Amino acid sequence: DAGVTQSPTHLIKTRGQHVTLRCSPISGHKSVSWYQQVLGQGPQFIFQYYEKEERGRGNFPDRFSARQFPNYSSELNVNALLLGDSALYLCASSLTERFGDTQYFGPGTRLTVL
Amino acid sequence: AQSVTQLGSHVSVSEGALVLLRCNYSSSVPPYLFWYVQYPNQGLQLLLKYTTGATLVKGINGFEAEFKKSETSFHLTKPSAHMSDAAEYFCAVSARNNAGNMLTFGGGTRLMVKP
Repeated sequence: DAGVTQSPTHLIKTRGQHVTLRCSPISGHKSVSWYQQVLGQGPQFIFQYYEKEERGRGNFPDRFSARQFPNYSSELNVNALLLGDSALYLCASSLTERFGDTQYFGPGTRLTVL
Repeated sequence: AQSVTQLGSHVSVSEGALVLLRCNYSSSVPPYLFWYVQYPNQGLQLLLKYTTGATLVKGINGFEAEFKKSETSFHLTKPSAHMSDAAEYFCAVSARNNAGNMLTFGGGTRLMVKP
């Protein structure tokens, strides 16, 4: 079975631009979470979606938004990019949004903002 | 609020030696605890998960971790290091966030294995 897939693999943008990152969960998983991993740090939680509804939001500005589609895939959007948004963006899927459900991660999208 | 502390951002061992990576957590409720491994330029791979019950958890690739409630610790061990174990290791605790479930990660420990 395919794992979590993310696209694109790498992305280079300039300050002020907008970016859309995409994620497809493991088949049968209904929840998708997004994390930001800055170089040299642990991942930081951005959003969780379950059945197309936002179930959790981390401490990120409103420039960050996301949505989940009927097929459970998800998009993360970042507006007005800043240099500090350069990071590896990880998507994780889980069967549900329940406390303790194991999250399985994709390979990530490496975003570089110049 | 939950937090995770990984002591030692870098750990170096010789091939065949014991691996010990330390993790301490704070949680207001009985936690779910995880160890993930990240190889260069890759995502996170689940090594093992603690739920409830047995305090010694066995994972993949010969790793195991022991949950000690009194010490709020969840240290990761492997009896004999292999060169292929060189990677970044992250300890994480599952926390309730609004109606959902989020992972709070430690800062990571980079494991280096010397031949």
